[in-house]
Amino acid sequence: RKEVEQDPGPFNVPEGATVAFNCTYSNSASQSFFWYRQDCRKEPKLLMSVYSSGNEDGRFTAQLNRASQYISLLIRDSKLSDSATYLCVVTKAENSGYSTLTFGKGTMLLVSP
Amino acid sequence: DTAVSQTPKYLVTQMGNDKSIKCEQNLGHDTMYWYKQDSKKFLKIMFSYNNKELIINETVPNRFSPKSPDKAHLNLHINSLELGDSAVYFCASSPPVRANTGELFFGEGSRLTVL
Repeated sequence: RKEVEQDPGPFNVPEGATVAFNCTYSNSASQSFFWYRQDCRKEPKLLMSVYSSGNEDGRFTAQLNRASQYISLLIRDSKLSDSATYLCVVTKAENSGYSTLTFGKGTMLLVSP
Repeated sequence: DTAVSQTPKYLVTQMGNDKSIKCEQNLGHDTMYWYKQDSKKFLKIMFSYNNKELIINETVPNRFSPKSPDKAHLNLHINSLELGDSAVYFCASSPPVRANTGELFFGEGSRLTVL
């Protein structure tokens, strides 16, 4: 099983639609979780952190289910500018005592007029 | 003012050559990284340095050698380039990893094509 798995998509949705992305992770010791966004031929950028209690930032809602090792991202009222690849990211503790971020392959979202 | 800058942005070279990619950050971060994103878009960590000290060294061929002359710079040298090295290489920085904020600041990437 891959460390972080996502449906690659693409998800094609019309403007104004609600879309949800899912992500599963294999390491039950993972501590922190995030969603990043990567536009075509650009660098990834942090979108939001994911907390156990769930969290919301405007039209974006992130949820975490530790028991199922599952993370989700919900986007409401999709805009054309939301078209991008959404990367699920979890932290992994290394033997050195430091943590690294492990990225999923990403889910591509295409919002059309 | 670019926070994390890497050069060159594009690099086309022949198999067997040696090439370097440079990275600099002006954010005052202690930790810097090299990630590789291949044609399947999978972003995978290669190396991480904290205050010039190597802390993460994933299973990467020893043809890849990172060098950190100071905490604001992390360069990547690649010897004897192979076709499979073609990818986008991203440099990133973050506050001390133990802070675990999860925010990496990426450079714009260096697209390497090996012919």
